[in-house]
Amino acid sequence: DIVMTQSPDSLAVSLGERATINCKSSQSIVYSSNNKNYLAWYQQRPGQPPKLLIYWASMRQSGVPDRFSGSGSGTDFTLTISSLQAEDVAVYYCHQYYSAPYTFGQGTNLEIK
Amino acid sequence: EVQLVESGGDLIQPGRSLRLSCTASGFTFVDYAMHWVRQAPGEGLEWVSGISWNSGSITYADSVKGRFTISRDNAKSSLYLEMNSLRAEDTALYYCAKAGGSGRTVYFDYWGQGTLVTVSS
Repeated sequence: DIVMTQSPDSLAVSLGERATINCKSSQSIVYSSNNKNYLAWYQQRPGQPPKLLIYWASMRQSGVPDRFSGSGSGTDFTLTISSLQAEDVAVYYCHQYYSAPYTFGQGTNLEIK
Repeated sequence: EVQLVESGGDLIQPGRSLRLSCTASGFTFVDYAMHWVRQAPGEGLEWVSGISWNSGSITYADSVKGRFTISRDNAKSSLYLEMNSLRAEDTALYYCAKAGGSGRTVYFDYWGQGTLVTVSS
């Protein structure tokens, strides 16, 4: 199984500041035939289901604000929120869909400082 | 508007069985693979099972293999999860999730609100 490890486990950032969450996979999740990274990011606000933010490591889902961006390749990935807003308080998960069982990171709890 | 509505969650004793359902609307159900993902209270996300558009490809997490069975009825735009030999560690909120594309495109672009399964004597 591919293990996804996020860092940090929790993060406190001031409003308007940048937030960065890292995700590392235990093996490469790039499919050689299409050179795509099989990595997604989700946001889960309290009491809500997860919401897709980013797929293919860097593609923003329709309707997601452009302050959210994804980067990285191979085994190391990053979710960046360029200017933190109050509504961004949530737990963020990375997710590999390269191979079953499809696994998630343990989550990063993002709070306002 | 895409909607996924789960039902069937309950408080149930260990060793018993339960069937979850997910009714989909707002998209062409037959065109997409569907999945179940669960979340134990206060914990992270765990993928449980997935089924291709035509039920030709089915996968399970090791933790549920041999106990859970996923199925779908495209005529009813519905997804199911038959859960047998339930254990305390199966206690979780079970989400129905739609795959974002075809084949290996197994990110989840829409999720239901979840249905709660509590396994306890």
